[in-house]
Amino acid sequence: EDQVTQSPEALRLQEGESSSLNCSYTVSGLRGLFWYRQDPGKGPEFLFTLYSAGEEKEKERLKATLTKKESFLHITAPKPEDSATYLCAVQAASGGSNYKLTFGKGTLLTVNP
Amino acid sequence: DGGITQSPKYLFRKEGQNVTLSCEQNLNHDAMYWYRQDPGQGLRLIYYSQIVNDFQKGDIAEGYSVSREKKESFPLTVTSAQKNPTAFYLCASSDQFGGRLEAFFGQGTRLTVV
Repeated sequence: EDQVTQSPEALRLQEGESSSLNCSYTVSGLRGLFWYRQDPGKGPEFLFTLYSAGEEKEKERLKATLTKKESFLHITAPKPEDSATYLCAVQAASGGSNYKLTFGKGTLLTVNP
Repeated sequence: DGGITQSPKYLFRKEGQNVTLSCEQNLNHDAMYWYRQDPGQGLRLIYYSQIVNDFQKGDIAEGYSVSREKKESFPLTVTSAQKNPTAFYLCASSDQFGGRLEAFFGQGTRLTVV
């Protein structure tokens, strides 16, 4: 069974204080790993797709990296508007349900001014 | 604007009633999904559909039903058999056949049983 574990559950940072969020996964052949941002009461907003170990993607203050067992979302010099819940999900490459996304529980990031 | 529209945003249901949540997309995506989100839990898959007139159960399909008569529409019915229906429901779509794996989500429907 595919599994995704995110840590920490919650993270509080000061504005400008860089840090990383972790996503550990177990999947029978990775087709893709996804990062989303979710604001309270809203649907998740797509950030990145990573396909293979060693791949990196960047968007503004965010950088996502991928290894064979985990992914990191690095946040450089965060601002209060980066406060949100960050979700990680995986899609397996094999099996009948190969369109299914398996999500972690998310990391609630709070950036204080 | 292309996107996914869920309606209504808030829905109240009396116990014993069936209720249908609407999901429409104009992204021309083949695959569509319904997820349920509860506080402190990750998104859990209820149903998904890869093509019109075909759909599969996800991890928590009991008490739910769907239809996929049109490519653009994937309504979810929460039946009276669902024992704990109060939750935030999210619809998503993806262009799997086009080689884009990522799913895009609507803004959600919050269902409350009163």
